[in-house]
Amino acid sequence: GQQVMQIPQYQHVQEGEDFTTYCNSSTTLSNIQWYKQRPGGHPVFLIQLVKSGEVKKQKRLTFQFGEAKKNSSLHITATQTTDVGTYFCAGSGNQFYFGTGTSLTVIP
Amino acid sequence: SAVISQKPSRDICQRGTSLTIQCQVDSQVTMMFWYRQQPGQSLTLIATANQGSEATYESGFVIDKFPISRPNLTFSTLTVSNMSPEDSSIYLCSVEGIGNTEAFFGQGTRLTVV
Repeated sequence: GQQVMQIPQYQHVQEGEDFTTYCNSSTTLSNIQWYKQRPGGHPVFLIQLVKSGEVKKQKRLTFQFGEAKKNSSLHITATQTTDVGTYFCAGSGNQFYFGTGTSLTVIP
Repeated sequence: SAVISQKPSRDICQRGTSLTIQCQVDSQVTMMFWYRQQPGQSLTLIATANQGSEATYESGFVIDKFPISRPNLTFSTLTVSNMSPEDSSIYLCSVEGIGNTEAFFGQGTRLTVV
């Protein structure tokens, strides 16, 4: 079946450093979404990418969708303590699957 | 956007008992889903709650263990039946999220089975 893997599983960074999480699907996706889940909270939608090679920015966050529509990345520039949480990609192919998630810790 | 009220927020239950989780949405939605999230893990789709018909279950989940109701377009329940400690998890309801629409989540129900 379809699988959506994310790497790394965990990432610790010093405040101010950059952070990137990568999302890889075993099948081609029609679109990909990114969610953030704060500790103890529920997933909150960040963005959706639909087009091959699409790049979108939200302030310090940059999202990319691969040319083959099988992978995606989220890059955070100059992390802040408010960025702490787990970042999930979620892909729509035959079904809707959440990735394995990357847990980000930001050290002040 | 959709505002989702899910309750209870947490519960501690004895093994062998059942717990029903409720999910109320502030607007009519076509798609409602139930997820399970083990601590530190990703979200696993349990089933799609269909209005007016039986829920559609994912592989590994069965109706006898996780009966679901969807009496209308704003409400659904998930029951965790005959609980065991392995059922301890966070259960989340969600609306939309298929195709070109974002998913909205309830606050989750943290279930501990002792």
